[in-house]
Amino acid sequence: KAGVTQTPRYLIKTRGQQVTLSCSPISGHRSVSWYQQTPGQGLQFLFEYFSETQRNKGNFPGRFSGRQFSNSRSEMNVSTLELGDSALYLCASSAMNRDSPLHFGNGTRLTVT
Amino acid sequence: SQQGEEDPQALSIQEGENATMNCSYKTSINNLQWYRQNSGRGLVHLILIRSNEREKHSGRLRVTLDTSKKSSSLLITASRAADTASYFCATDAGGGNKLTFGTGTQLKVEL
Repeated sequence: KAGVTQTPRYLIKTRGQQVTLSCSPISGHRSVSWYQQTPGQGLQFLFEYFSETQRNKGNFPGRFSGRQFSNSRSEMNVSTLELGDSALYLCASSAMNRDSPLHFGNGTRLTVT
Repeated sequence: SQQGEEDPQALSIQEGENATMNCSYKTSINNLQWYRQNSGRGLVHLILIRSNEREKHSGRLRVTLDTSKKSSSLLITASRAADTASYFCATDAGGGNKLTFGTGTQLKVEL
């Protein structure tokens, strides 16, 4: 099976702009989660989608949003970018069976200037 | 905020030696998982231990869990240069795939 695919791999944006990141899960996986990774805060949970519904949400401002499509692909959007949004954004998919691990993509490296 | 703290932050050993890293967490959990991350890439799942288990093995990996102390340890035996990576513990407190990750241990295995 192909792994989790995230696009684009790198992004450079300017403060105030918005950005959309894309994630294609492993075939058959209906749960998609997003995490932000920064040197200062480490890995932090953003949100999780399952069957097009948001199941969980982390402690991020409303500028961070996401959605999931009927084919389980997911996008996350960050509006009004701030310098502090510079991070590696990781998407992970899961089979949602008991104890199913997360399968991560290689991430999108976002730099806000 | 991060729930898990990992110790040590960095570890450098010679190939063939064992590497031990520790994780502490704060709340009750359903399970605890360990992941590996090579520089600039995604995380790879290594092993999961349920809250009612005390020890688990997978190949060269041994994980222990002490829920009374809210701590876990990961032992990698006979380390190889390819084991060089950052290792993270992650706890599942019952919130679906809302995992809480530790701060990570950077392991360097030298030839």
